[in-house]
Amino acid sequence: DQQVKQNSPSLSVQEGRISILNCDYTNSMFDYFLWYKKYPAEGPTFLISISSIKDKNEDGRFTVFLNKSAKHLSLHIVPSQPGDSAVYFCAAGSSGGYQKVTFGIGTKLQVIP
Amino acid sequence: DGGITQSPKYLFRKEGQNVTLSCEQNLNHDAMYWYRQDPGQGLRLIYYSQIVNDFQKGDIAEGYSVSREKKESFPLTVTSAQKNPTAFYLCASRRTGLYNEQFFGPGTRLTVL
Repeated sequence: DQQVKQNSPSLSVQEGRISILNCDYTNSMFDYFLWYKKYPAEGPTFLISISSIKDKNEDGRFTVFLNKSAKHLSLHIVPSQPGDSAVYFCAAGSSGGYQKVTFGIGTKLQVIP
Repeated sequence: DGGITQSPKYLFRKEGQNVTLSCEQNLNHDAMYWYRQDPGQGLRLIYYSQIVNDFQKGDIAEGYSVSREKKESFPLTVTSAQKNPTAFYLCASRRTGLYNEQFFGPGTRLTVL
């Protein structure tokens, strides 16, 4: 039972355009959400997070939007750069529990120069 | 220069042998985690530890064991009971507190022949 779903396994975007990566969750107990970026054979690196008390968080070219009623979040990258090509993982956690997070299966983003 | 180290980067073992993967962090984080990544499966939690001398099973703990004798160290033993041990293993640590992100090590690729 996947509690965090990333339904698009891959995405291709032209350099300079917007990349939109989507994530859905099913567990109503999740109250914070994170995005990680991962290159092959390396550990993931943290990008941006959002708690359930917000609906938007922005950090430079990266913005995360949260729609609690739809149990949906998205990561926007503007403008997309070739160095953004990687696998992006969505993760969700519950602050009331043991503070472990559940990861989605990832979306592979390719930014075409 | 704080961070998480995992050694070795690549590890080969014969079927039926136990093997221990190293994870060390100098970030002074209380919580540590072990994940496994398989193609198309995302990151799956094996074990996690909130504090020294305490740890909990994650979603796929069967065939694995851990110890947490020191704050800085969280070694993972892959036993012969693990049916499909070949995978990419990731260690992470996290500072205690709401909404804090995990920091990941570079990973160990284990291949069982």
